[in-house]
Amino acid sequence: TQLLEQSPQFLSIQEGENLTVYCNSSSVFSSLQWYRQEPGEGPVLLVTVVTGGEVKKLKRLTFQFGDARKDSSLHITAAQPGDTGLYLCAGAWSGGGADGLTFGKGTHLIIQP
Amino acid sequence: GAVVSQHPSWVICKSGTSVKIECRSLDFQATTMFWYRQFPKQSLMLMATSNEGSKATYEQGVEKDKFLINHASLTLSTLTVTSAHPEDSSFYICSAFRQGGFLGETQYFGPGTRLLVL
Repeated sequence: TQLLEQSPQFLSIQEGENLTVYCNSSSVFSSLQWYRQEPGEGPVLLVTVVTGGEVKKLKRLTFQFGDARKDSSLHITAAQPGDTGLYLCAGAWSGGGADGLTFGKGTHLIIQP
Repeated sequence: GAVVSQHPSWVICKSGTSVKIECRSLDFQATTMFWYRQFPKQSLMLMATSNEGSKATYEQGVEKDKFLINHASLTLSTLTVTSAHPEDSSFYICSAFRQGGFLGETQYFGPGTRLLVL
């Protein structure tokens, strides 16, 4: 069974602080996605990373894919209350077609004003 | 952008009844859809892969006779929870796989269906 370890599971910080969420596996991903999910809604895709060492930025969010494609991180700069939510990483291990995603346990993020 | 809908958004049923949940890709065709389940405060767990025109593929531990999946068209997959029990109460989320587009190959998730079995 391929597992995705996501940490931390819970994080509560003050507005303006920076934070990093990690996603790790012992297996190599063909691709990895980061999602954000609001209560009672489906997850919304933030980014897909495919290439080892890839870095993508989405406003104050920076996503990095490890060189070996076994780990990824999400860094939020100057967090705002609107960033509060559940962040999920999800990986696909075999490329070349549609695969069900394996999700990490998620990070419940609370940004306090 | 790609839109996936689910119906109903929530359902309450009595134990022993069957419940059907629909997943539709509204603006693209999806030969493959996926069904996930999410319990409170937990992450999504893949239940099965729904393939248009063929049998669904179930993950280990998911009973195929209890969770019937039908992918009758390129835009619709249905999940039927048969003889539902309280432990089946959960948030069921589907996704539709889309090839191409500006994001490349990716899955687009529906808004989820909350099932409560009394």
